[in-house]
Amino acid sequence: DAMVIQNPRYQVTQFGKPVTLSCSQTLNHNVMYWYQQKSSQAPKLLFHYYDKDFNNEADTPDNFQSRRPNTSFCFLDIRSPGLGDAAMYLCATSSGKRAGAFTDTQYFGPGTRLTVL
Amino acid sequence: RKEVEQDPGPFNVPEGATVAFNCTYSNSASQSFFWYRQDCRKEPKLLMSVYSSGNEDGRFTAQLNRASQYISLLIRDSKLSDSATYLCVVSWGADDKIIFGKGTRLHILP
Repeated sequence: DAMVIQNPRYQVTQFGKPVTLSCSQTLNHNVMYWYQQKSSQAPKLLFHYYDKDFNNEADTPDNFQSRRPNTSFCFLDIRSPGLGDAAMYLCATSSGKRAGAFTDTQYFGPGTRLTVL
Repeated sequence: RKEVEQDPGPFNVPEGATVAFNCTYSNSASQSFFWYRQDCRKEPKLLMSVYSSGNEDGRFTAQLNRASQYISLLIRDSKLSDSATYLCVVSWGADDKIIFGKGTRLHILP
């Protein structure tokens, strides 16, 4: 059974047209993450939520926003996608029970591949 | 020095052989270490956590060398299904930082 679900799996948008990617989890984990991964590159953390606390990485562009309305769901909003935003977007969760947000195993969703035309 | 460095490979290894690769990290305060496996166009999946005492899971052995600031992954009796990219992940809690390496590509040859 899928534990971290991402929708849609493939998303095509036009340059400058806002897009929202969705992630849900059945693990009841405290922490949810959004990563951007471009071809042959490492996943790059954009931000994470520790419960309701939002933590933005210093180098994440303002164009990227996130919402977590409840424990199960987290959204990534790209306000004005550029060609450089085409990538795989990975959502991940971790229990957050140990000290520090990043000391636990992360469980990844299958990703959403974003194409910008 | 990059925060987390891996040899990108590819490592082309015959089936049944043993292969090992390392990952170096720059922050001596790093506290958590992981190896993730990522298949082509798929999501990363945890292979194993890396503990100070080292750990072994079947054909896979991970080691941590704090003095030299690297972790290693050893795969024995390699299988075709081991072909993947292996990502090194390092985190430290002081400022809640996590860094993924770019990965090492492994091709097991029949």
